[in-house]
Amino acid sequence: DAGVIQSPRHEVTEMGQEVTLRCKPISGHNSLFWYRQTMMRGLELLIYFNNNVPIDDSGMPEDRFSAKMPNASFSTLKIQPSEPRDSAVYFCASTQGTSGVQETQYFGPGTRLLVL
Amino acid sequence: AQSVTQPDIHITVSEGASLELRCNYSYGATPYLFWYVQSPGQGLQLLLKYFSGDTLVQGIKGFEAEFKRSQSSFNLRKPSVHWSDAAEYFCAVVPTGRRALTFGSGTRLQVQP
Repeated sequence: DAGVIQSPRHEVTEMGQEVTLRCKPISGHNSLFWYRQTMMRGLELLIYFNNNVPIDDSGMPEDRFSAKMPNASFSTLKIQPSEPRDSAVYFCASTQGTSGVQETQYFGPGTRLLVL
Repeated sequence: AQSVTQPDIHITVSEGASLELRCNYSYGATPYLFWYVQSPGQGLQLLLKYFSGDTLVQGIKGFEAEFKRSQSSFNLRKPSVHWSDAAEYFCAVVPTGRRALTFGSGTRLQVQP
């Protein structure tokens, strides 16, 4: 299995620009998570989908952030407009979504975003 | 809210020495606890997890962790560290009613030759 795939791996953009991060979960997995890692706040959940439906978006910082999962094999996290404080590593993770909280979350390699 | 605390930000050990990374949780009942490892520039990989039963949990790469309710701890151990174990280690919990992980602040492990 290819694992969780994220693109791009690195993104450098200027403040005010739109940024789109992409994630392809492991085939057959029904739950998908977006996390953000920063020096100041560590690793924190942004949003979680189950069967393509957003279940918990309590971590989405503000209206500039939006996430979609149009089908079981693709999700996007969009920041518009981007700000320097959005600079972070964004991780996507997936689980089978059938066995509850004890399931292992499989993480992608992350997208390192730098907003100038 | 349920959370985990990793009191050590940075630990350095010599190759071949034993290792213990500390994790304390705040939760009344038995939590769902995890240890993940993050190598430089990589994603996170699950080392082990605990939900119930035997309090000593074996994981991958020779790691183990012991759940101690009396101390609210879930410390990660390895009897002999290898240079390839240098990485950042995260303790995590799944709070009640949620599916997503809540992570500790991480412990960066450096291994000296």
